[in-house]
Amino acid sequence: AQSVTQLGSHVSVSEGALVLLRCNYSSSVPPYLFWYVQYPNQGLQLLLKYTSAATLVKGINGFEAEFKKSETSFHLTKPSAHMSDAAEYFCAVRFNFGNEKLTFGTGTRLTIIP
Amino acid sequence: DTGVSQDPRHKITKRGQNVTFRCDPISEHNRLYWYRQTLGQGPEFLTYFQNEAQLEKSRLLSDRFSAERPKGSFSTLEIQRTEQGDSAMYLCASSSDLGRGTSGLYEQYFGPGTRLTVT
Repeated sequence: AQSVTQLGSHVSVSEGALVLLRCNYSSSVPPYLFWYVQYPNQGLQLLLKYTSAATLVKGINGFEAEFKKSETSFHLTKPSAHMSDAAEYFCAVRFNFGNEKLTFGTGTRLTIIP
Repeated sequence: DTGVSQDPRHKITKRGQNVTFRCDPISEHNRLYWYRQTLGQGPEFLTYFQNEAQLEKSRLLSDRFSAERPKGSFSTLEIQRTEQGDSAMYLCASSSDLGRGTSGLYEQYFGPGTRLTVT
């Protein structure tokens, strides 16, 4: 079955430290991959997307993610955390071309420690 | 470009009542999606439209749920005979297929959501 797994429902990092949020998917065919961020009482904002071109994708706010086919992963990273990064992060996958729906992981709440 | 808007932002209703939510997509977007997000979970796909045609419905969309997009612009999601299990955030998103390229990828832009509480 096609699924999306985000390891770690809560992640805490110190301000200035590396942020690493994990996402794995299960699919025999490389899908389209996205990271979204959600601030309290707001909708989802697209951070970055994987379009089957470059495997290292750069997004907004200094975030980037690397698609690793062999590991079926699309982990999100940021070299130096900022207080404003505190939010909920969702990995989303579009498994089939022509199938428009996004399948989301359960999310990771990122807390930044001053 | 004012983004995707949803109305109302919050709705409290009693069990058994009907509720209707509205979504206005980004003006040039021809695709519109509805998702439901419960506490501690990621959004779950409910249904999507291309123009006025409803092309896919999730099994989550029971007979009590109906969505429409009559003129291919705004959409409404109605829940009849609400149950406590319907309490959730209902998210709308839109996208355009005008950007189709080799990837055929359409970015979905989300609205702020409507939070439904059924008491």
